[in-house]
Amino acid sequence: EDQVTQSPEALRLQEGESSSLNCSYTVSGLRGLFWYRQDPGKGPEFLFTLYSAGEEKEKERLKATLTKKESFLHITAPKPEDSATYLCAVQALRSGGGYNKLIFGAGTRLAVHP
Amino acid sequence: GAGVSQSPSNKVTEKGKDVELRCDPISGHTALYWYRQSLGQGLEFLIYFQGNSAPDKSGLPSDRFSAERTGGSVSTLTIQRTQQEDSAVYLCASSPRQGVTEAFFGQGTRLTVV
Repeated sequence: EDQVTQSPEALRLQEGESSSLNCSYTVSGLRGLFWYRQDPGKGPEFLFTLYSAGEEKEKERLKATLTKKESFLHITAPKPEDSATYLCAVQALRSGGGYNKLIFGAGTRLAVHP
Repeated sequence: GAGVSQSPSNKVTEKGKDVELRCDPISGHTALYWYRQSLGQGLEFLIYFQGNSAPDKSGLPSDRFSAERTGGSVSTLTIQRTQQEDSAVYLCASSPRQGVTEAFFGQGTRLTVV
């Protein structure tokens, strides 16, 4: 069964204290792994898509990496405005092409304090 | 439109009543997803559409839940005879043409069944 596990559930950082969030997954053929940011009361906001092991993507203070079993979201010198819940999702390959549902982890709640 | 639009943003209904939730995807997006997020929980897949057809409706929790999509655009999620356990935020997302898999979410509809 396709599954996504995120850790830690919650993370508290001081401003400027770099850290990483983990997303472990099992999927029957990976089409893509996605990172989203969700602020309270809002829908998830797309951050990155990773397609193959070894791939990396960066956006401002965030860097996402992918291996065959997990993905990391590295946060460098975070600021209070980076506080949010970070969601990881995988999409399995579908026979004959086409879309498949996104399977989400439970998320990591990040709080960055000044 | 510029983004995925959902209406209403909030809905309070009495137990046993039917409700309809609407999703306007980004223009031209062929795939459309419905998810449910209960308080403090991850995103639970409900159904996805490719065009007007629903290849995967495996996440619908019971036969009280149904969804349709018309004209390859607007989608409606209907919950009949609502129960208190249906209270959640219902999120809609859409993806562009096949082969591009990023899904963009709306703000959600917060449903409260009293």
